[in-house]
Amino acid sequence: DAGVIQSPRHEVTEMGQEVTLRCKPISGHDYLFWYRQTMMRGLELLIYFNNNVPIDDSGMPEDRFSAKMPNASFSTLKIQPSEPRDSAVYFCASSLEGRSLARAFFGQGTRLTVV
Amino acid sequence: RKEVEQDPGPFNVPEGATVAFNCTYSNSASQSFFWYRQDCRKEPKLLMSVYSSGNEDGRFTAQLNRASQYISLLIRDSKLSDSATYLCVVNPSEGQGGKLIFGQGTELSVKP
Repeated sequence: DAGVIQSPRHEVTEMGQEVTLRCKPISGHDYLFWYRQTMMRGLELLIYFNNNVPIDDSGMPEDRFSAKMPNASFSTLKIQPSEPRDSAVYFCASSLEGRSLARAFFGQGTRLTVV
Repeated sequence: RKEVEQDPGPFNVPEGATVAFNCTYSNSASQSFFWYRQDCRKEPKLLMSVYSSGNEDGRFTAQLNRASQYISLLIRDSKLSDSATYLCVVNPSEGQGGKLIFGQGTELSVKP
């Protein structure tokens, strides 16, 4: 299994531009999570999906952030317009509900820099 | 109050030392608990789950105290390769499915 795949690995963009981060979860997993990690705030849960349906988006910082999961094998996190304070590492993770609930597998992350 | 709080780091210890990390969580209904490890500039990876009766995996021992809402991780005979950030993770349950809440992490540096 290739694991959770994120793209791009690195993104540098100018303030005001739209940024789209992509994630392919592990096949068969029914939960998908988007996290943001910064030195100051650690790992923050932004949003998570179960069976492609958004369950909890209370961690999404503001309306500039949106996430979609059009099918079981793909999700996007979009920031429009981007701001320098959005600079962080964005991780996607997936898991399979069951007895070993919540063993989440993370992608390698997208390091976003907004200048 | 943060949902999951950990010891502030960093911990700097010599090889062979025993080191303990502590973590507290605020939601008394939480059901599942984990320790993740994150190497520098890498993604978090599951180290071990934490069971009510406590559990051991080689040099690593995890303990859970539900009454105090407290989780611990003990590393014995620490190795250079144990240097990483250790993240305490809680599934708050209550219909929240697979949601995971991470602590800020405690950095461990093992020196020769």
